[in-house]
Amino acid sequence: DTAVSQTPKYLVTQMGNDKSIKCEQNLGHDTMYWYKQDSKKFLKIMFSYNNKELIINETVPNRFSPKSPDKAHLNLHINSLELGDSAVYFCASSPWAGGRTDTQYFGPGTRLTVL
Amino acid sequence: SQQGEEDPQALSIQEGENATMNCSYKTSINNLQWYRQNSGRGLVHLILIRSNEREKHSGRLRVTLDTSKKSSSLLITASRAADTASYFCATGRVDTGRRALTFGSGTRLQVQP
Repeated sequence: DTAVSQTPKYLVTQMGNDKSIKCEQNLGHDTMYWYKQDSKKFLKIMFSYNNKELIINETVPNRFSPKSPDKAHLNLHINSLELGDSAVYFCASSPWAGGRTDTQYFGPGTRLTVL
Repeated sequence: SQQGEEDPQALSIQEGENATMNCSYKTSINNLQWYRQNSGRGLVHLILIRSNEREKHSGRLRVTLDTSKKSSSLLITASRAADTASYFCATGRVDTGRRALTFGSGTRLQVQP
């Protein structure tokens, strides 16, 4: 069984459109994340949720809105897509470790291409 | 800005040789982790070393951590073609209590059969 899954795997869309990426984990973890990997392979945290509560919100444009309907799901909605949003988006999860940062489990990624 | 910088950016070796990658970071950490990313895939956790540890082994992997120099190294012994991937170090920071990882820029390893 897939531990962290994302859909879709590929997403090609026009500028200005609104799109969503879904993420689900079946590991029973309390914490979930969204990371963005750019064309130079730099990986940067965007958001983090713990038990449906937002705990990290980096300097991400407010066109990006995460939503966590339950602790097993963390979806990413993007409004008014721009060319610079093209990247690979990774969802990840980890067990709650208090103030520490523990091993994270990554999904396969969603390659977003904005034309 | 990236917390970690990795060195070298790219490394090409022959099968059977050892591969060493280095990582430097800037802030206080509670642990440092290494991940592997195969082309077009997600990241896979390899090993975690805590800030009070100096060396750790897992199979053909050996990780060292020098908190005084804010640096770590990953050694892969007896490399195989299947080890071809990008390798990232990631740090869990102490200062903000964040649980997200801060990643280095990665080393692209090519193992020639």
